[in-house]
Amino acid sequence: EPEVTQTPSHQVTQMGQEVILRCVPISNHLYFYWYRQILGQKVEFLVSFYNNEISEKSEIFDDQFSVERPDGSNFTLKIRSTKLEDSAMYFCASSDGTFSNQPQHFGDGTRLSIL
Amino acid sequence: DAKTTQPPSMDCAEGRAANLPCNHSTISGNEYVYWYRQIHSQGPQYIIHGLKNNETNEMASLIITEDRKSSTLILPHATLRDTAVYYCIVRPYNAGNMLTFGGGTRLMVKP
Repeated sequence: EPEVTQTPSHQVTQMGQEVILRCVPISNHLYFYWYRQILGQKVEFLVSFYNNEISEKSEIFDDQFSVERPDGSNFTLKIRSTKLEDSAMYFCASSDGTFSNQPQHFGDGTRLSIL
Repeated sequence: DAKTTQPPSMDCAEGRAANLPCNHSTISGNEYVYWYRQIHSQGPQYIIHGLKNNETNEMASLIITEDRKSSTLILPHATLRDTAVYYCIVRPYNAGNMLTFGGGTRLMVKP
């Protein structure tokens, strides 16, 4: 069964450094998403992306965050200057549409630890 | 968006059916009910979704009441690997993009 893959599984970064989290969505999907989950808290939506543009973003997704689809297979989340509070699990998801009968499928996440 | 209410935790004996309830009394006619689960901080795993009819797939069954104000996810023969947090999410038609996760139900399957 096709799946969303994320790399690395764990990333340790010094505060203030830039970090790039990578995702390979399911191959025929056109809509891509990032979510995060701080330890012990709920899964929170960050951003969605379609046709090389951000289609929706949450308040969490401020100017420190950016997303990109650099080629036909990868989807990346960049955090420019990491803060301690960016420590979380980051999940990528993809779907073949945005209508409510089209489910999003998630990867297993990248654990980001900011020191 | 319609809010959902789920019990914070449930236990189930291995091999028995696990019935996970969800209340969504403010659901609108064009909103879908989705179920995901999360096993030990892995990514949320899609299970099943439905609008008004009962649905079944290889993982589970979804029973939606006639008034659509509540639903039940049924895992017919729970195994230890089904121990997870289960999320019931109501998603509007033309939902846009985000899924809104609540606290879910922590299901513990016991031997």
